[in-house]
Amino acid sequence: SQQGEEDPQALSIQEGENATMNCSYKTSINNLQWYRQNSGRGLVHLILIRSNEREKHSGRLRVTLDTSKKSSSLLITASRAADTASYFCATGAYSGAGSYQLTFGKGTKLSVIP
Amino acid sequence: KAGVTQTPRYLIKTRGQQVTLSCSPISGHRSVSWYQQTPGQGLQFLFEYFSETQRNKGNFPGRFSGRQFSNSRSEMNVSTLELGDSALYLCASSLDRQGALSMNTEAFFGQGTRLTVV
Repeated sequence: SQQGEEDPQALSIQEGENATMNCSYKTSINNLQWYRQNSGRGLVHLILIRSNEREKHSGRLRVTLDTSKKSSSLLITASRAADTASYFCATGAYSGAGSYQLTFGKGTKLSVIP
Repeated sequence: KAGVTQTPRYLIKTRGQQVTLSCSPISGHRSVSWYQQTPGQGLQFLFEYFSETQRNKGNFPGRFSGRQFSNSRSEMNVSTLELGDSALYLCASSLDRQGALSMNTEAFFGQGTRLTVV
């Protein structure tokens, strides 16, 4: 079952603009990760934010996490055509058996128009 | 450092056949997970292996199975293929320290195997 739900499902912006994607989840997590996928290829890891962190930056990426609202956002600043891809949030949690599992949302399809 | 390698990249099989997919994790990574990605269901967790043991399993029928070898390489097998098994199968490896609740467990994905069942 899907835990993360991204919003919006699709986003189209002009090059240079900022893109914001949101993710909501349902249960307790250890961390939340954002991934990018280009045209049905493998997923590229972007950033991991732990449950005790509120904000994290990596280059043009800014991720926030609000565990009280069970939500996260990914901001891409000064977007480029090369940022065109699908973006997924994934919640990471440990089960009682010591196993770790990532649960993905359905993704946001971002199109950056040159 | 080499990334996660999945073979083959593309596969076409007939209904009823079986298929084996392979995944070589990043050197030093002992945790390997498998995911199925379809347009309708998105990314669904199949199973996770650590030190040759299956630690977690998703909600898939018994036709889907896997194993992990002593060098951490993993294979997944799908028997009696159905049309609905057509998907991109992704493998991910991570540096997971058994016994320690690491909250810094980034998963690195391979390029996937695109399976088409006809």
